[in-house]
Amino acid sequence: GAGVSQSPRYKVAKRGQDVALRCDPISGHVSLFWYQQALGQGPEFLTYFQNEAQLDKSGLPSDRFFAERPEGSVSTLKIQRTQQEDSAVYLCASSFLGDGSYEQYFGPGTRLTVT
Amino acid sequence: DQQVKQNSPSLSVQEGRISILNCDYTNSMFDYFLWYKKYPAEGPTFLISISSIKDKNEDGRFTVFLNKSAKHLSLHIVPSQPGDSAVYFCAASQGGSEKLVFGKGMKLTVNP
Repeated sequence: GAGVSQSPRYKVAKRGQDVALRCDPISGHVSLFWYQQALGQGPEFLTYFQNEAQLDKSGLPSDRFFAERPEGSVSTLKIQRTQQEDSAVYLCASSFLGDGSYEQYFGPGTRLTVT
Repeated sequence: DQQVKQNSPSLSVQEGRISILNCDYTNSMFDYFLWYKKYPAEGPTFLISISSIKDKNEDGRFTVFLNKSAKHLSLHIVPSQPGDSAVYFCAASQGGSEKLVFGKGMKLTVNP
């Protein structure tokens, strides 16, 4: 079956521009996560949705970062007024809540470069 | 403050030999641990996991060992194959929260 897909795969933005990153989770997966992975680091948690409810946004680094999942399926991570330190790979993951495992399925990521 | 630590950035082994990847954690509330493998330009792929109520979990060539008293886990791959060459991430989760805390990763190279 189809895995988690993300678009665009690569995005170059000039400093100060707004960007929107899209995630299509695996069909039927209740939970959706966004992670940020800087070069040479492991993924770091940004935010978490259960269906359309954003249950945890403790990892969002500033109020320039905003995520939504209005219908409990596709999610968008928006970054306003991008800064150079926002350059990273943004990973989306989904999981089927309630199966007793914490296994998350990751998409290929969106590599954001802010110039 | 890194809660999940992978202190060795890289490991090189010969094909057919055992690969041992180590991970330490500081948060005693973590109760579920996972290993992910990542190839370049791809997202992490789940490999194997272990609950804190166990000390060993095995799946084919992959075995994860958990030592709770030492807050240490390890991934054993035997026999290692060239296709295992990738970056491996250790991750942990705390009960009641689904979010994962990752280590920095370790690059494994398996030489033919």
